[in-house]
Amino acid sequence: QQPVQSPQAVILREGEDAVINCSSSKALYSVHWYRQKHGEAPVFLMILLKGGEQKGHDKISASFNEKKQQSSLYLTASQLSYSGTYFCGILSPGTYKYIFGTGTRLKVLA
Amino acid sequence: GAVVSQHPSWVICKSGTSVKIECRSLDFQATTMFWYRQFPKQSLMLMATSNEGSKATYEQGVEKDKFLINHASLTLSTLTVTSAHPEDSSFYICSARDQVSGANVLTFGAGSRLTVL
Repeated sequence: QQPVQSPQAVILREGEDAVINCSSSKALYSVHWYRQKHGEAPVFLMILLKGGEQKGHDKISASFNEKKQQSSLYLTASQLSYSGTYFCGILSPGTYKYIFGTGTRLKVLA
Repeated sequence: GAVVSQHPSWVICKSGTSVKIECRSLDFQATTMFWYRQFPKQSLMLMATSNEGSKATYEQGVEKDKFLINHASLTLSTLTVTSAHPEDSSFYICSARDQVSGANVLTFGAGSRLTVL
C-alpha cells in the first residue's frame, strides 16, 4: 500500500537537476510532496489534485499522472538547501489517512 | 497558516516508565489527528488516527494498549507510550488537517524524539 519512490537516494552537484518518482499500486486522488531535513518534521511542498496537473514553486515542480498512478517531483538547478529526504504522500479517500512513500534521500554538494 | 504544536520536542526516560506527548492545533480545530512514528533513515509510518470524542483507530501491528491515544478536545490529542522500552525509541510526529478550510494538507507538529534507556 505504501507508495514506492525512486530513486532511493541521489547525490548531485549544485545546479544539477533531479527527478523523484512516486508510484502507487492504488488509484490516486491527490498527491502531496514533503521535504524533511534531518531531525525535523516534514515540510509541505505542494499538492496535486487532478490527473495531468502540474505545479511549481521557484525551481521545484511536480506532475501527477492519474492513469499511471504516479507523480514526479522535479528539482531544477538544485541548491544546497534542497538537501533532505523527500516524501510523497497519498490521501486515502473516505478515511482521509495519509500514507507516505518510501522516501528519497537527496544530497546536494557544493 | 495552520500551526500544530507538539511537546515535548525530546524526552529521555528509563525503561518501564510512561511518556506522554501532546499535540495541539493552535489556530484551527481538528476533529482528526494522525500519529506517525519514524525510525532512523525510514519513512513516516502511520500508527493511528485520533478521533475527537471517540476511540482512536490503530494501524495493523500497533499495540493499542501500549500506545494510548486520547483526543479529548478539538485542539488536543495526546499519545502516551506506556511501559516504554528501548525499542520504542523513535521520532514521533503528530499531524492534523484543517477541515474547516477544506484544504487537504496536513500540518505537522515539530516532532518528539523519544529515547528510552
